[in-house]
Amino acid sequence: AQSVTQPDIHITVSEGASLELRCNYSYGATPYLFWYVQSPGQGLQLLLKYFSGDTLVQGIKGFEAEFKRSQSSFNLRKPSVHWSDAAEYFCAVGAPGGGGFKTIFGAGTRLFVKA
Amino acid sequence: EAGVAQSPRYKIIEKRQSVAFWCNPISGHATLYWYQQILGQGPKLLIQFQNNGVVDDSQLPKDRFSAERLKGVDSTLKIQPAKLEDSAVYLCASSLEPGGEQYFGPGTRLTVT
Repeated sequence: AQSVTQPDIHITVSEGASLELRCNYSYGATPYLFWYVQSPGQGLQLLLKYFSGDTLVQGIKGFEAEFKRSQSSFNLRKPSVHWSDAAEYFCAVGAPGGGGFKTIFGAGTRLFVKA
Repeated sequence: EAGVAQSPRYKIIEKRQSVAFWCNPISGHATLYWYQQILGQGPKLLIQFQNNGVVDDSQLPKDRFSAERLKGVDSTLKIQPAKLEDSAVYLCASSLEPGGEQYFGPGTRLTVT
């Protein structure tokens, strides 16, 4: 069965510092992997996705993520965090099946940014 | 391009009452999803439509939850009767096709007292 683990419930970083949010998944084959961001009062927004090919994926807002098959990980990174990045971040794994596409989300990591 | 619309944004009901949520996906998006997001958790898929047909409702509590997408556009999700544990944010999302980028609405926050 598919599953997603985000080990950190919350993380605090200083503005301008680098960021890495961890994500581990469980899936039998190569999954579709996603990172979403949810700001207060806003809907979920897709940051980036990995289906195949280059294991380093670039996304919006300066984020990137690296797929590491050997570690079953898909960690999200940003070299310099801005105060506006404070939000909840969700890693997700998806797979087609039964004519549809099932996406399973992790529990999320809340990012706090301090001045 | 208009995003996914949901209404109402907030709803408070007593247990055993019924409630309905409405979703209008992005025009042209064939795939529509309903998710339940309980506080402190990630969204959980309840049901997925492809046009007006259900392709996955394996996690929908069918004894109390129902959903429809009659004309392949708008969708409604109903809970009858509601339980305390149904308190959550109900998110609607749509995509051009299964596996395509999902666009989420702002959600409906349901509180059951």
